[in-house]
Amino acid sequence: DTGVSQNPRHKITKRGQNVTFRCDPISEHNRLYWYRQTLGQGPEFLTYFQNEAQLEKSRLLSDRFSAERPKGSFSTLEIQRTEQGDSAMYLCASSRNRATNEKLFFGSGTQLSVL
Amino acid sequence: AQSVAQPEDQVNVAEGNPLTVKCTYSVSGNPYLFWYVQYPNRGLQFLLKYITGDNLVKGSYGFEAEFNKSQTSFHLKKPSALVSDSALYFCAVNLSAGNKLTFGGGTRVLVKP
Repeated sequence: DTGVSQNPRHKITKRGQNVTFRCDPISEHNRLYWYRQTLGQGPEFLTYFQNEAQLEKSRLLSDRFSAERPKGSFSTLEIQRTEQGDSAMYLCASSRNRATNEKLFFGSGTQLSVL
Repeated sequence: AQSVAQPEDQVNVAEGNPLTVKCTYSVSGNPYLFWYVQYPNRGLQFLLKYITGDNLVKGSYGFEAEFNKSQTSFHLKKPSALVSDSALYFCAVNLSAGNKLTFGGGTRVLVKP
């Protein structure tokens, strides 16, 4: 169990640029989640995958955001035409299966700063 | 809809004293309740969960939480706090038929020597 890995740890970009983050979940974890956390707030749900299928997206996820999990393993989160309001910590989490009482394993996050 | 409230932004306690972090929830069905802790520059770590059964749940690092259905609360407790317990604590709720956790705003715990 090597834990959930997220890359990069930090990303600084200029407004209007595109950014992509990567998440490698714990191997054989079927569920993968993306959350966003701003300073002083709790994590907010963005989207989740069951294997390669994206099953739910939050209304927070505008059309500038897209997430993929092409082979049911790692996932990417892309933000197009970044805005200063996108500055936040982006957290990835995984769980073993689809049971709703499963605990989530979180990565350390990607801190995005949009200048 | 489901929501979680953590009424205290920060809790200060002296080392060795009891620690309580408050959480109330609102759901339209049977709740699954969780506590997570976040240390600086680290990901959130699971502490404990309530699914069903005994209202008192014991978790990691000596923490426990009590589920109170009538008060819709799930307060986190530790009988004797340590300086190393200083961190950010999050309460979260999921519906028994739900697919995602909803987190509270977090409570910062500061344990002073």
